[in-house]
Amino acid sequence: GNSVTQMEGPVTLSEEAFLTINCTYTATGYPSLFWYVQYPGEGLQLLLKATKADDKGSNKGFEATYRKETTSFHLEKGSVQVSDSAVYFCALSNQAGTALIFGKGTTLSVSS
Amino acid sequence: SQTIHQWPATLVQPVGSPLSLECTVEGTSNPNLYWYRQAAGRGLQLLFYSVGIGQISSEVPQNLSASRPQDRQFILSSKKLLLSDSGFYLCAWSPGGGGLAFFGQGTRLTVV
Repeated sequence: GNSVTQMEGPVTLSEEAFLTINCTYTATGYPSLFWYVQYPGEGLQLLLKATKADDKGSNKGFEATYRKETTSFHLEKGSVQVSDSAVYFCALSNQAGTALIFGKGTTLSVSS
Repeated sequence: SQTIHQWPATLVQPVGSPLSLECTVEGTSNPNLYWYRQAAGRGLQLLFYSVGIGQISSEVPQNLSASRPQDRQFILSSKKLLLSDSGFYLCAWSPGGGGLAFFGQGTRLTVV
């Protein structure tokens, strides 16, 4: 079946550090891939997405590339800010686009 | 524009009591609808999804059920709550296909 595995947190960084959060997936067919972000006490918001192999999604300085050969969709940001502190979820949508499966989430804490 | 409403925001219920959480979507028709549970240390777990009225897919066998009596209404229920049902419940909708999802603000359920 479909599943998403992302690195365990928490990830603690200083402001302006480089961020990588690893995400790998298992899926049949050609899923779409997503990163969602959850700020404290809120629901989830879409951060970026990629719908086919080699696509790069980007938003707010974050980016991730859909790598079919390694079944990965790692999230990166060159210089994190305190305001980036949140929980980040990697997700995939099945080929039919009906089920959206999330990883367990990675908590990022950025200090000034 | 589309909006999603989920209520209540918080709920404290005794063990063995029933549960009904409601989610409604405005501004769109025939959305895919989802219920997720976010429990500490377990990430975001897909509970149910629905692609149309009366069509419910269950991802995880458990003490909960879901119903979709109207196109834009999705209800999560239980006849008898367990302590393990405590968690943060999120409703989401997406346009048919594609997997992009928009989340409600969530319901914090504490079973005592």
